[in-house]
Amino acid sequence: GNSVTQMEGPVTLSEEAFLTINCTYTATGYPSLFWYVQYPGEGLQLLLKATKADDKGSNKGFEATYRKETTSFHLEKGSVQVSDSAVYFCALKDAGGTSYGKLTFGQGTILTVHP
Amino acid sequence: DAMVIQNPRYQVTQFGKPVTLSCSQTLNHNVMYWYQQKSSQAPKLLFHYYDKDFNNEADTPDNFQSRRPNTSFCFLDIRSPGLGDAAMYLCATSSPPPTGGNEAFFGQGTRLTVV
Repeated sequence: GNSVTQMEGPVTLSEEAFLTINCTYTATGYPSLFWYVQYPGEGLQLLLKATKADDKGSNKGFEATYRKETTSFHLEKGSVQVSDSAVYFCALKDAGGTSYGKLTFGQGTILTVHP
Repeated sequence: DAMVIQNPRYQVTQFGKPVTLSCSQTLNHNVMYWYQQKSSQAPKLLFHYYDKDFNNEADTPDNFQSRRPNTSFCFLDIRSPGLGDAAMYLCATSSPPPTGGNEAFFGQGTRLTVV
């Protein structure tokens, strides 16, 4: 079955530091890949996505590249802010089979950014 | 703005007393999902609808039921809430390709407390 593995957290950084959150996946075929962010007490917000190999998703200074050869979708940001403190979830969705496939989530990574 | 709206944001119910959570969407998406999320864990899919077709996850307890009277609304019924059902409940929608981008859009969630 499908699975997503994220780097262990929590991650604590100082403002303006470089961020990497690793994400690797196991899936058949060519799944779509997503990063979602969850702020305290809120639902999940789509941060970025990529639907095929070598696609780069980007939003709000965050980037992730769909690497099929390494089955990875690592999240990066060059300079984090205090407002980036949240929980980040990597997720995948089947490309084929049922057209409405469910999301498979990683375990989430808690990011805390200090001033 | 088009969105997914969950009501209420916070719900307190008594042990064993039936409770209903609601979700509405203005996105006109075919698919609606209900997830349960506990304590910064990954969301766990309970069930989903593709239009009127209901799909239950194999490990979703019988205590949880759902209704989708029309495209816009979906309800989560918990027949006899136990202390272990206290969680954040997330509603999400998606529209598969080619009409949609396959990503899921989440509501802000309902935080359920069982006393």
